Amino acid sequence: GENVEQHPSTLSVQEGDSAVIKCTYSDSASNYFPWYKQELGKRPQLIIDIRSNVGEKKDQRIAVTLNKTAKHFSLHITETQPEDSAVYFCAAGLTGGGNKLTFGTGTQLKVEL
Amino acid sequence: GAGVSQSPRYKVAKRGQDVALRCDPISGHVSLFWYQQALGQGPEFLTYFQNEAQLDKSGLPSDRFFAERPEGSVSTLKIQRTQQEDSAVYLCASGLTESGSPLHFGNGTRLTVT
Repeated sequence: GENVEQHPSTLSVQEGDSAVIKCTYSDSASNYFPWYKQELGKRPQLIIDIRSNVGEKKDQRIAVTLNKTAKHFSLHITETQPEDSAVYFCAAGLTGGGNKLTFGTGTQLKVEL
Repeated sequence: GAGVSQSPRYKVAKRGQDVALRCDPISGHVSLFWYQQALGQGPEFLTYFQNEAQLDKSGLPSDRFFAERPEGSVSTLKIQRTQQEDSAVYLCASGLTESGSPLHFGNGTRLTVT
């Protein structure tokens, strides 16, 4: 089955700096890669996703890049703000079969003032 | 409209008790997933429904775990004879279609087995 590795496990940045989180996946058939933000005790919330026919996608301060050949994808957050502090999960899946997702182990992002 | 709703929010069970966790997906959503999230870990797949059909239950850890979605809407995850290792947050997620739709998660049920 699919295996997703995520790095780093913790990331501390100064407000206004950029943050980058990286993930690798093992199943070359995976074609859907969402990123979720989870605040303590709350639900995972989808912040951005990318499909395998696209190499990069951007939404305001958030961008995701995908390298299918190397089987890795990354989340980039620019101009970080304290409210960006949370745990971020990457995931990989197949759009067929309902979008069954395999998640990474999460990155605890802390944005310091 | 309302998002995915799960109840109860918290559940404490003594070892050996049976529990039932409920998920109300977003109205009209075809796909429904159950995930288990241990402390400090990412969600792990348990089972998948497309309408009322359970198409994948490969993630259920043992035959003590059972899920149903009889009318293609509300789903229940039942755990029989709970064990301490069952302690986790159980997340439900739904998607509009059977392929390609983003998944929307509920707040989860935090199960503690004592």
